[in-house]
Amino acid sequence: AQTVTQSQPEMSVQEAETVTLSCTYDTSESNYYLFWYKQPPSRQMILVIRQEAYKQQNATENRFSVNFQKAAKSFSLKISDSQLGDTAMYFCAFMGPQGGSEKLVFGKGTKLTVNP
Amino acid sequence: GAVVSQHPSRVICKSGTSVKIECRSLDFQATTMFWYRQFPKQSLMLMATSNEGSKATYEQGVEKDKFLINHASLTLSTLTVTSAHPEDSSFYICSASPIIDQQLETDTQYFGPGTRLTVL
Repeated sequence: AQTVTQSQPEMSVQEAETVTLSCTYDTSESNYYLFWYKQPPSRQMILVIRQEAYKQQNATENRFSVNFQKAAKSFSLKISDSQLGDTAMYFCAFMGPQGGSEKLVFGKGTKLTVNP
Repeated sequence: GAVVSQHPSRVICKSGTSVKIECRSLDFQATTMFWYRQFPKQSLMLMATSNEGSKATYEQGVEKDKFLINHASLTLSTLTVTSAHPEDSSFYICSASPIIDQQLETDTQYFGPGTRLTVL
């Protein structure tokens, strides 16, 4: 069974600085999907970024980028120019090769606080 | 695009009553919808996977007779908590994956805002 590990329960960063959240996973599949979701205090889950395992290029969405290391099974999220609105729980998630019909396997989350 | 709604956003009920939660994909059609439960300060726990027109697939340990799921159309899934008890109090979240031909990623789950259930 796939597992997702987020080793940092809590992190903090100063506004405008850069922070990196770690995520590792375990799978025997060669093709799969990886996601970072953000859950602010409102508890609405918001998709931050997605990565398809067969694509070597790291995904980027504005200030958010990932460092996808397939061999190491690592999928870290970098937030540049941190903003107060980035304060949230961040969940790393894995989806198997069947895509949309497959369930997401979530990590335990990292609570990020952006300080003014 | 990719808006998922849930209704109600919060509900308080008495022990022994049943509560229905609706999950709708507003601007896309979804082959598959998922129901999660989240306890405070914890990650999401998948309860069941729901496919339109077929029976839901429940995760191990989830009572299918207690948590009834109906996926009547490509835009609506419902979760009914039957004979609710205080231990069923939780935050319930649904998600949906778009069908092919929508202008969305089919291999991505889009989440509703959640429903807070409190059973007295």
